[in-house]
Amino acid sequence: DIQMTQSPASLSASLGETVTIQCQASEDIYSGLAWYQQKPGKSPQLLIYGASSLQDGVPSRFSGSGSGTQYSLKISSMQTEDEGVYFCQQGLKYPLTFGSGTKLEIK
Amino acid sequence: QVQLMESGPGLVQPSETLSLTCTVSGFSLTSYNVHWVRQPPGKGLEWMGVMWSGGSTDYNSALKSRLSISRDTSKNQVFLKMNSLQSEDTTTYYCARDGGYGSPLVDWGQGVMVTVSS
Repeated sequence: DIQMTQSPASLSASLGETVTIQCQASEDIYSGLAWYQQKPGKSPQLLIYGASSLQDGVPSRFSGSGSGTQYSLKISSMQTEDEGVYFCQQGLKYPLTFGSGTKLEIK
Repeated sequence: QVQLMESGPGLVQPSETLSLTCTVSGFSLTSYNVHWVRQPPGKGLEWMGVMWSGGSTDYNSALKSRLSISRDTSKNQVFLKMNSLQSEDTTTYYCARDGGYGSPLVDWGQGVMVTVSS
């Protein structure tokens, strides 16, 4: 199985700050990488797919980048509604596997 | 509008079988794939298996011996059955739709919390 290592585990950011979350795959996943946001008591919501494509309706302050085994999610200007847990997920091979999550809070 | 809704018992006895239903609307099960994903309280996400649009299934090898996924296209429902439940199976179970093979999980149900306890 492809292992996804996500960092940091938690993060606090001030309003307007730029936030970056990292995700490393155990092998090349050829940009088959998605990012999800999950708020308390809710199901995950897709933010980014194909490593860098923004899902419809997601604010443009979210962006994804990376290739090979290294990927990142950037929030260009932290907002209060961005608090939550973020997960990466590889879609190259089954079983689909997820990172362990990054809890993002407002400082 | 695409919707998925999980239903099932909130409490299951240890060693018994869990049966969950995912009822979908806004798309056809013969055109899109439906996955099951679970999440223990406060923890990460585990992919369990998929009902492919063509009717076949794939399972996480870690759960394969206990897991069965089926569907009834006439009722727009996908079913999950997992036997020999233990306390570590206490988790929220989600069904989710992808956008086609190789695409991410685009739409998710609200999830159903299942507790395994006597």
